[in-house]
Amino acid sequence: DAKTTQPPSMDCAEGRAANLPCNHSTISGNEYVYWYRQIHSQGPQYIIHGLKNNETNEMASLIITEDRKSSTLILPHATLRDTAVYYCIVGRSSNTGKLIFGQGTTLQVKP
Amino acid sequence: GAVVSQHPSRVICKSGTSVKIECRSLDFQATTMFWYRQFPKQSLMLMATSNEGSKATYEQGVEKDKFLINHASLTLSTLTVTSAHPEDSSFYICSARIQFTEKLFFGSGTQLSVL
Repeated sequence: DAKTTQPPSMDCAEGRAANLPCNHSTISGNEYVYWYRQIHSQGPQYIIHGLKNNETNEMASLIITEDRKSSTLILPHATLRDTAVYYCIVGRSSNTGKLIFGQGTTLQVKP
Repeated sequence: GAVVSQHPSRVICKSGTSVKIECRSLDFQATTMFWYRQFPKQSLMLMATSNEGSKATYEQGVEKDKFLINHASLTLSTLTVTSAHPEDSSFYICSARIQFTEKLFFGSGTQLSVL
C-alpha cells in the first residue's frame, strides 16, 4: 500500500474553510484515497473517498490532482466540532480490505 | 451511514485474565472485519484481518495465540485478549467493510486497562 505524508498539525478559524493536504506520490492506479477523522477516544469516522475525480458529500470535498500524487480534503465551513485528527489513507479496500493508518493531521478549529 | 457496534466500550481487568471484545455490523453483512490497536498519542495499528468462516490473518509481530479472533457469522467478530498483562492496555478498535463497496466503517472502540 502506498504511503501518505500529511502535516502533523493545522489550525483553522471557525466558519472558515479547512484545507487539509496529503501527498501520496507512490499511489498506484487502482488505489483509492480515503479520508477518516478521529475525535479523541472514539473510533475513526469515514469522511470521503475517491479514485480520480473530485468528490463531494455532505461532510466534505475531496480534490485529487490530475497525476493523483496529492489530494486535499476541504471542510467548507469548519466548526469547533471538526477539531480532530484527520487521516489520509491510500489503499484498495475491496482487495485486501485493510487500510494502513499514518500519523494524520491534528486539526484545531479555533473560535 | 452503516453502523459497527463494539462492546464493551471500557473494561478493566486483572493481570492474567482474558477479555473478550465483540464487534457487530448492525445493518449489513461483513465477510471481513479488521482489528486495530491504538496507544495514547499514536496512530491506529492494524493487528489482524478477521474472515468469516476461516482463520484470521495476523500482521507481522502480532501474536495469534495472544489475540484470539473468531468470526463465526457475517455480523460478528470477537477479539479475545488472553492472559492479559499491563502492556496489553490499549484502545482496541474494530472495523468492517460493506461488501462490494470501498467503504470501511469503524466501531467506537474499547479501552482496555489491565491492572
